[in-house]
Amino acid sequence: GQNIDQPTEMTATEGAIVQINCTYQTSGFNGLFWYQQHAGEAPTFLSYNVLDGLEEKGRFSSFLSRSKGYSYLLLKELQMKDSASYLCAVVDSNYQLIWGAGTKLIIKP
Amino acid sequence: GAVVSQHPSWVICKSGTSVKIECRSLDFQATTMFWYRQFPKQSLMLMATSNEGSKATYEQGVEKDKFLINHASLTLSTLTVTSAHPEDSSFYICSASFGGRDVDEQFFGPGTRLTVL
Repeated sequence: GQNIDQPTEMTATEGAIVQINCTYQTSGFNGLFWYQQHAGEAPTFLSYNVLDGLEEKGRFSSFLSRSKGYSYLLLKELQMKDSASYLCAVVDSNYQLIWGAGTKLIIKP
Repeated sequence: GAVVSQHPSWVICKSGTSVKIECRSLDFQATTMFWYRQFPKQSLMLMATSNEGSKATYEQGVEKDKFLINHASLTLSTLTVTSAHPEDSSFYICSASFGGRDVDEQFFGPGTRLTVL
């Protein structure tokens, strides 16, 4: 079967750094997406990784290791508005998007 | 760019009635549109994928006669929940992609919250 694992919930402090991990076992791999979803709203695109390594985009960075079936989303200089769920999604060999359950990130002052 | 709208934002209806949800790509032509359902504190569940001018492809376990999808143009797809029941209450989200590539970023609409009494 296909499986995406993420922590259910994480808590961090405003101004700090947090790393949200995602591990996957899928039939094939054609890339990994990270989306942000605020409560009651639709997801918004954060990043797409298909090659190994770290991609930085402002305060957010995303890392991928295909050999380990592992990715993480790194959020720096946390702000209260970063409180949201972060969804990891993998594109499998059929180019279908397999979604993780999401990680709820709580930011405390 | 790449804005997707949904209408209505929320709807409350009586059990047994049908509800239509519209999904529009406002500034691009969407070859492919996706319909998702999300229950509280759960991830997105893909219901169906639709390509303009052809029948939608439904995921296993999704009743095609209950969830009617029409993708009549490159900018509009509709989802009709027929004979809605309380268990159909959920957050329905559509997304759209440009298409033509193997891996496409999906642009999500703001979602429609359906409550069936």
